[in-house]
Amino acid sequence: GDSVTQMEGPVTLSEEAFLTINCTYTATGYPSLFWYVQYPGEGLQLLLKATKADDKGSNKGFEATYRKETTSFHLEKGSVQVSDSAVYFCALSLRAGTALIFGKGTTLSVSS
Amino acid sequence: EPEVTQTPSHQVTQMGQEVILRCVPISNHLYFYWYRQILGQKVEFLVSFYNNEISEKSEIFDDQFSVERPDGSNFTLKIRSTKLEDSAMYFCASSDYGVNSPLHFGNGTRLTVT
Repeated sequence: GDSVTQMEGPVTLSEEAFLTINCTYTATGYPSLFWYVQYPGEGLQLLLKATKADDKGSNKGFEATYRKETTSFHLEKGSVQVSDSAVYFCALSLRAGTALIFGKGTTLSVSS
Repeated sequence: EPEVTQTPSHQVTQMGQEVILRCVPISNHLYFYWYRQILGQKVEFLVSFYNNEISEKSEIFDDQFSVERPDGSNFTLKIRSTKLEDSAMYFCASSDYGVNSPLHFGNGTRLTVT
């Protein structure tokens, strides 16, 4: 079935370090791909999205490129901040109104 | 920016009791969803709702669960007879039409069943 696999966390980095969180997917069709972020005590917020192969989603310094050949959507940021500490979820959607399929989430902890 | 709002933020109930979790989706959205997140685990899909009926549900969404849109603004999740394992954070979400339309989530209701 359709699924999303994320790298296990937690990821612990120092401020200004480079971040990569790996995400790969399995899907029967052509999904849209998303990264959501969950700050402590809050709900999930859309961070970025990409809707077709080779699209790059970007927001708040984060980027992810939809790679159909490797079925991946890795999240990257060049210089993380303490305020980026949160849980990051990769997700896919195959059609409107159907379940958004989430990965297990990766906890990022950034220290100053 | 419009938000999805959920009430209450925290609900404590005894095993076997009925609970109703409430959500106000974004007003012009067409699809509504419930997800849950057991502490420290992944976000799990429960049900989606479109055009006043369930469009998809997971195997978690058994006969103990029901959803309703009682008026033009609210979207509710009812658990008829709560079990200990229903303790989780429940998130409501809504989206506009189209596969590329992202889901907008509320801040969640933490349900604790004792």
